[in-house]
Amino acid sequence: GNSVTQMEGPVTLSEEAFLTINCTYTATGYPSLFWYVQYPGEGLQLLLKATKADDKGSNKGFEATYRKETTSFHLEKGSVQVSDSAVYFCALSPSNTGKLIFGQGTTLQVKP
Amino acid sequence: DVKVTQSSRYLVKRTGEKVFLECVQDMDHENMFWYRQDPGLGLRLIYFSYDVKMKEKGDIPEGYSVSREKKERFSLILESASTNQTSMYLCASSPEVLAKNIQYFGAGTRLSVL
Repeated sequence: GNSVTQMEGPVTLSEEAFLTINCTYTATGYPSLFWYVQYPGEGLQLLLKATKADDKGSNKGFEATYRKETTSFHLEKGSVQVSDSAVYFCALSPSNTGKLIFGQGTTLQVKP
Repeated sequence: DVKVTQSSRYLVKRTGEKVFLECVQDMDHENMFWYRQDPGLGLRLIYFSYDVKMKEKGDIPEGYSVSREKKERFSLILESASTNQTSMYLCASSPEVLAKNIQYFGAGTRLSVL
């Protein structure tokens, strides 16, 4: 079946530190991969996506590369800010279904 | 900008009550979804709809039903609320069925069942 596994949180970093949040997936076919972010008190919003192997999604300084050989889609940012504090969800969309399957979410807290 | 509006941010209900959660989107999207969000479990799909009057079960439909009488509105119904349905409920919509689509989320309704 299809599933997504994220690293457990919470992750606590100082401002300007390097961020990695690990995400691995299990899927049949050729899924699309997503990172969504949920800021406090808000719904989820798309952060970035990749639709095929070796694609790199990027937005707001965040990046993730679709690695088919390792079934991974790790989220990275070179220098985090306090405003990046949020919950980050990795998700996949199985081929031609329009549905999303989410990981459990990773809470990031950035301290000044 | 796409807007998905959930009618209530917070709800407190009693066990056995019938509960309606409403969701409206303003971008003429075909697809709408209801999820529940629980700590450590991420988001789990309850029901979704690809068209008016059409619905399909997601991964955890037990204890829930849905209604989609108009394209812009998708309602989640708890026929007889129970304490294990205390959760954050998120509605989402998307413009097409293809796997590459993006879902747009509402701000969520935090439901407490006492």
